[in-house]
Amino acid sequence: AQKITQTQPGMFVQEKEAVTLDCTYDTSDPSYGLFWYKQPSSGEMIFLIYQGSYDQQNATEGRYSLNFQKARKSANLVISASQLGDSAMYFCAMREGEYGNKLVFGAGTILRVKS
Amino acid sequence: NAGVTQTPKFQVLKTGQSMTLQCAQDMNHEYMSWYRQDPGMGLRLIHYSVGAGITDQGEVPNGYNVSRSTTEDFPLRLLSAAPSQTSVYFCASHRVGLAENNEQFFGPGTRLTVL
Repeated sequence: AQKITQTQPGMFVQEKEAVTLDCTYDTSDPSYGLFWYKQPSSGEMIFLIYQGSYDQQNATEGRYSLNFQKARKSANLVISASQLGDSAMYFCAMREGEYGNKLVFGAGTILRVKS
Repeated sequence: NAGVTQTPKFQVLKTGQSMTLQCAQDMNHEYMSWYRQDPGMGLRLIHYSVGAGITDQGEVPNGYNVSRSTTEDFPLRLLSAAPSQTSVYFCASHRVGLAENNEQFFGPGTRLTVL
């Protein structure tokens, strides 16, 4: 069974608007972590934001926030005030366990920001 | 700090050839891993290591060997290249152990084509 599901292969957003990228996950481990990475056309993987399963608050990093709904097993990435430079592939990933060292990735969502 | 470095950036092989993808990190991270990225599939874990002398298989280990003789280096060997191994390969590293955010630092990737 897929552990990380990103149902949106591609998304468009108008510059300066907010956009939500969906991610659902599957795990029976009570301790886990959720990550979002950005991959621009140049190919490097850029860490954006992290949410731990025991974190009470939703994670935020600048224009990025993670809408964490534990009961629904979703960890959606919200990008506020989109910029042209946000056009990229976005990956959701999960590690399991307190000392989990392996990341499982979703298939990714391509985001295109329109001017 | 150079972070995680990978060589080469690009490589073309013929079926049956062998080669080694190099990966090095200067952050003294215990944990290193190799992923491959294929269209529509996100990143998949090939092999990982939790310290010098310790390696283990990931999700897609067949056709690849690894070794970890030092903390800094984690080479990936293709024993007999096949067209199915055409992919982009990423090396990553992070600290082992309990942490709120054991962010994985990725190298720039190696684009491999097997003819």
